[in-house]
Amino acid sequence: QKEVEQDPGPLSVPEGAIVSLNCTYSNSAFQYFMWYRQYSRKGPELLMYTYSSGNKEDGRFTAQVDKSSKYISLFIRDSQPSDSATYLCAMRTNTGNQFYFGTGTSLTVIP
Amino acid sequence: GAGVSQSPRYKVTKRGQDVALRCDPISGHVSLYWYRQALGQGPEFLTYFNYEAQQDKSGLPNDRFSAERPEGSISTLTIQRTEQRDSAMYRCASSLFAPSPRETQYFGPGTRLLVL
Repeated sequence: QKEVEQDPGPLSVPEGAIVSLNCTYSNSAFQYFMWYRQYSRKGPELLMYTYSSGNKEDGRFTAQVDKSSKYISLFIRDSQPSDSATYLCAMRTNTGNQFYFGTGTSLTVIP
Repeated sequence: GAGVSQSPRYKVTKRGQDVALRCDPISGHVSLYWYRQALGQGPEFLTYFNYEAQQDKSGLPNDRFSAERPEGSISTLTIQRTEQRDSAMYRCASSLFAPSPRETQYFGPGTRLLVL
């Protein structure tokens, strides 16, 4: 079983829709949860991070962590064509050096 | 430079040959990671350097893979006796300080390795 599971999609939504992206994980020691965005032929770039459980909002993006269910989500409100990319979740323990990435979900926002 | 650079961008080699992939991190960045990213997959951790010290190499798949960062700046990932299953995108990332989600990792453009 992989440490982090993520539905690869692809996901296609109309402009303005609310997008929900999710990951599940198996290691209860994960404490830091991150979302990266990766445009085609580019490296991943950090969007948001959250420590332990709870919500975090940044503009149109909201990250949620439910540690009891080992489930994290990224919501994108009022999605734009420029949001079209692959979204990767990543996780880390308190003490480890390794970041564990999901497979990424490919998102297309149709104008 | 403006960002993390990697060379070569593409490498085609024959099975059994050795390859060396170079990463030039952002100037002054302490931490350097190497990842392997297969098509349609997320980055898979290979190894981590803090300055010149290789502090974690637990992700290296086998002893054909090695990495160094002798002066705490440029790093080289070497794959000996390449096999077809080594074909992937190899990315490095650097960050200013020690590993932390608050500490943004800046990823390079990657080296696409194809082993024939």
